[in-house]
Amino acid sequence: DQQVKQNSPSLSVQEGRISILNCDYTNSMFDYFLWYKKYPAEGPTFLISISSIKDKNEDGRFTVFLNKSAKHLSLHIVPSQPGDSAVYFCAAPQGAQKLVFGQGTRLTINP
Amino acid sequence: GAGVSQSPSNKVTEKGKDVELRCDPISGHTALYWYRQSLGQGLEFLIYFQGNSAPDKSGLPSDRFSAERTGGSVSTLTIQRTQQEDSAVYLCASSLGPSGIGSNQPQHFGDGTRLSIL
Repeated sequence: DQQVKQNSPSLSVQEGRISILNCDYTNSMFDYFLWYKKYPAEGPTFLISISSIKDKNEDGRFTVFLNKSAKHLSLHIVPSQPGDSAVYFCAAPQGAQKLVFGQGTRLTINP
Repeated sequence: GAGVSQSPSNKVTEKGKDVELRCDPISGHTALYWYRQSLGQGLEFLIYFQGNSAPDKSGLPSDRFSAERTGGSVSTLTIQRTQQEDSAVYLCASSLGPSGIGSNQPQHFGDGTRLSIL
């Protein structure tokens, strides 16, 4: 049972434009969500999180939006830069102790 | 260093051999997690430690896999009689406390060990 789903395996965006990465979830008990960024040959790096009591959290060029009624969250990156090219994972807490991750979306920023 | 450290960074071994992977978490982090990422797949949870105990081993794929943690710090993941399907990147993460519901504790990852079974 995939509780966190990223349905787009890849996304290509032109430099300077907005990148929008999507994530759907099934468990209404999730009380916070996280986004991670992963470069090749490196571990995932924590990027930004959002509590389920909020609908938006912003940190510089990164904004995460949460739509609880749709069980959907998205990560917006604006303006997109070449260094943003990476695999992005959304994650949510599963039970009392651990996180469950989506399958990831590979973002490519084209010059 | 300040981050999660894993060794070796790469390991190539023959089918049937045993391998041991090491994780040194961030100092003071009580929770430690092992994941693996097979080619083209997401992060698969293996095992969770709180201190030296492992309350959740539900992700270990078979009894060939085991892990321990000593002194509330370093952890080792051991794979016995390796098989080709064990080839993956094994990632370790740590957090101040458990990352479950109600905690809002991000996990911090090491760079992983890339394991290749010939």
